Amino acid sequence: ILNVEQSPQSLHVQEGDSTNFTCSFPSSNFYALHWYRWETAKSPEALFVMTLNGDEKKKGRISATLNTKEGYSYLYIKGSQPEDSATYLCARHTGNQFYFGTGTSLTVIP
Amino acid sequence: DVKVTQSSRYLVKRTGEKVFLECVQDMDHENMFWYRQDPGLGLRLIYFSYDVKMKEKGDIPEGYSVSREKKERFSLILESASTNQTSMYLCASSLLSLNTEAFFGQGTRLTVV
Repeated sequence: ILNVEQSPQSLHVQEGDSTNFTCSFPSSNFYALHWYRWETAKSPEALFVMTLNGDEKKKGRISATLNTKEGYSYLYIKGSQPEDSATYLCARHTGNQFYFGTGTSLTVIP
Repeated sequence: DVKVTQSSRYLVKRTGEKVFLECVQDMDHENMFWYRQDPGLGLRLIYFSYDVKMKEKGDIPEGYSVSREKKERFSLILESASTNQTSMYLCASSLLSLNTEAFFGQGTRLTVV
């Protein structure tokens, strides 16, 4: 089973709210888990690459956690800003291939 | 600055035409990928290549072929374009390492009429 699932599919939050999304993936044969941000009219860009169980990464107001044993990762955004509006993709990396989820579309309302 | 460049941002082609989508990367990456993105379906892998002249089918290779004659260039070919191939196509590249991310091109919005 290779499916990567993300929830929710879309999310609307008010500016200043904190929010989080979920990525679940098959926990067997785990190699790495990636998070990407995809803004409209731009290319997807990597936020985090996570390889270790219990790993936690942070970049400014955005952070991510990883649980490889149970097969999930959370992405948190603290104090959402309009510029955070984008689609957030997670991907399971198995060496040669990336398996992407369908993404969470975040809209931050000013 | 690392770069993946796709030859066209927008493309309109007629049913039955042979279509070439070109992708060039300047990072000396071994891996290159072609994805298509459709609403509600996420990024689906069409083909990938881990070396010159090497190619592997992804999840949805039907109706497509690829060519990698040089390390920096990966071409996606629609042999006979059909309306169900109307989509956003994304090229990506990466190193052969688990700890590095994929770098994406800007995408080509292909419409087949």
